[in-house]
Amino acid sequence: RKEVEQDPGPFNVPEGATVAFNCTYSNSASQSFFWYRQDCRKEPKLLMSVYSSGNEDGRFTAQLNRASQYISLLIRDSKLSDSATYLCVVNILNDMRFGAGTRLTVKP
Amino acid sequence: SQTIHQWPATLVQPVGSPLSLECTVEGTSNPNLYWYRQAAGRGLQLLFYSVGIGQISSEVPQNLSASRPQDRQFILSSKKLLLSDSGFYLCAWKTGANYGYTFGSGTRLTVV
Repeated sequence: RKEVEQDPGPFNVPEGATVAFNCTYSNSASQSFFWYRQDCRKEPKLLMSVYSSGNEDGRFTAQLNRASQYISLLIRDSKLSDSATYLCVVNILNDMRFGAGTRLTVKP
Repeated sequence: SQTIHQWPATLVQPVGSPLSLECTVEGTSNPNLYWYRQAAGRGLQLLFYSVGIGQISSEVPQNLSASRPQDRQFILSSKKLLLSDSGFYLCAWKTGANYGYTFGSGTRLTVV
């Protein structure tokens, strides 16, 4: 079983749609969690950290369920500029483990 | 300010040739540094990490090596490249437990 698993997609949604990504992790000792965004042929960039109580940053909401060992990212009112690959990242014993990413395409 | 530099951006090398990719960090001291590889359509694979000068840990056996000759310099090398070494190589710096990693802009390596 992979340490961090994501649905690879692709997710193709119209502008204005709400889209949700899920991610599961296998190591219950995981300490911190993140969502990264990676544009085509670019480096990954931190989108947001994921806190136990859940957190929101504008149109983006992240949730963590430690009991079920999954993380989610919700994007509301999708924009064309949201098109990218979203990477789920888990910090396990000071090593960051990356999911393979979920590809999102937002269409006009 | 804290920045990470990586070069070159693109590289095309023949099979059997050597490789040297350099990464430097500015604005911090004693950073944890990492080399990742991303094959086309795949996730990031951790290759090496370093917690200090001369300290290198390897995650996977391969024909690549890493060195940390200075506190803010991390080098990825190979004596003889294979076709399977093609990929997107990313250097990263651990910004902090709650802030994740910051990545360099990456080197896209094609071995021909």
